[in-house]
Amino acid sequence: EVQLVESGGGLVQPGGSLRLSCAASGFTFRYFWMSWVRQAPGKGLEWVANIKQDGSEKYSVDSVKGRFTISRDNAKNSLYLQMNSLRAEDTAVYYCAREEYCSGTTCYGVKYFDYWGQGTLVTVSS
Amino acid sequence: DIQMTQSPSSLSASVGDRVTISCRASQSIINYLNWYQQKPGKAPKLLIYAASTLQTGVPSRFSGIGSGTDFTLTIGSLQPEDSATYYCQQSHSSFLSFGGGTRVEIK
Repeated sequence: EVQLVESGGGLVQPGGSLRLSCAASGFTFRYFWMSWVRQAPGKGLEWVANIKQDGSEKYSVDSVKGRFTISRDNAKNSLYLQMNSLRAEDTAVYYCAREEYCSGTTCYGVKYFDYWGQGTLVTVSS
Repeated sequence: DIQMTQSPSSLSASVGDRVTISCRASQSIINYLNWYQQKPGKAPKLLIYAASTLQTGVPSRFSGIGSGTDFTLTIGSLQPEDSATYYCQQSHSSFLSFGGGTRVEIK
């Protein structure tokens, strides 16, 4: 059974730092792109960042560039999000999600989030 | 970056009704469009990928259609358990993005 379990959330002051972790099990972690997606209280979903299987490619939304760093440790089946210079607007539930690629002839190359963790809440407040 | 716009932002319908939700991309995304359902306090759940392919285990009353910039999610016969917020998401760009969501309520 595929499982993604996030940890590391909590209350932090503006300007502070936090490191989120996502422990993966039930699948071969090193075969998959992985993402972080967040959801501010009462708001919609926002993709934050993702990372290729070997860590050689990373992408992130503009609002976190230069402040958040995504990384992974395939030996530990773990995904991380280092969050620095935190702002009130970073307050959200952070989900890790697995990216799967469609292999069918009509959908080749389309990727989607097929498994999600339960989320971890990050609150940025003084 | 590709912007995704959903409409309506919310709707109320009766059990058995046919419900449609629209999603428009700011540029062509071919069929790189996925739909998710999210219930309060829960993680999102994949419903449809590649615009029209039903994820395993998802009831057949859910369907998707579209290509290019315009996409539609249809619930063929609304059930009480379908009360949730629905999101579209594009994966055509390396920078992924979601629509703003459509909240579906049962009358």
